[in-house]
Amino acid sequence: NAGVTQTPKFQVLKTGQSMTLQCAQDMNHNSMYWYRQDPGMGLRLIYYSASEGTTDKGEVPNGYNVSRLNKREFSLRLESAAPSQTSVYFCASSELVRNEQFFGPGTRLTVL
Amino acid sequence: GQQVMQIPQYQHVQEGEDFTTYCNSSTTLSNIQWYKQRPGGHPVFLIQLVKSGEVKKQKRLTFQFGEAKKNSSLHITATQTTDVGTYFCAGTGGAQKLVFGQGTRLTINP
Repeated sequence: NAGVTQTPKFQVLKTGQSMTLQCAQDMNHNSMYWYRQDPGMGLRLIYYSASEGTTDKGEVPNGYNVSRLNKREFSLRLESAAPSQTSVYFCASSELVRNEQFFGPGTRLTVL
Repeated sequence: GQQVMQIPQYQHVQEGEDFTTYCNSSTTLSNIQWYKQRPGGHPVFLIQLVKSGEVKKQKRLTFQFGEAKKNSSLHITATQTTDVGTYFCAGTGGAQKLVFGQGTRLTINP
């Protein structure tokens, strides 16, 4: 089992460009999450999907959109990238919202 | 909203010394989880505590959940270089979303 996979691993964007971060899990988990990690800020929840067909905002949703494509896949879209979105993005999944989370390897995004 | 504060932000120890990180929530938690992130890696789940006053051990690591379910601690006895990394607590409250603390970065002098 691959667990949680994310693509791409690295990305450099110019201000105003758009991109989609992809995430997939093969553990048949119901819940999936997108976090961003900045130095000294811990992990901040952007959006999550408690179950297939639902999505909810987290702590820092502005500037992002998500799609729960099916039970396996949860994508994060930046419509118009800004330098403040330079960060490391982690996708995670869990059986249920209250259970342990399994994280992907992360995407390092730089916006110039 | 729910906030989880973690201290200290950084800790540097000599190999063999003990290490403790503390986690405090602004609201009562239904459970608390601990994760470890190695440098350049992703967070990895260590343990979950659910009951008031619960204490769990994993080899040299001891995890505690406070009686009021608003605080928690992780204690490492006799640190080793393999313990290097950032330790995060994360709590679930009434909103049923996991909220992470800022993490404690542990470095060790061999």
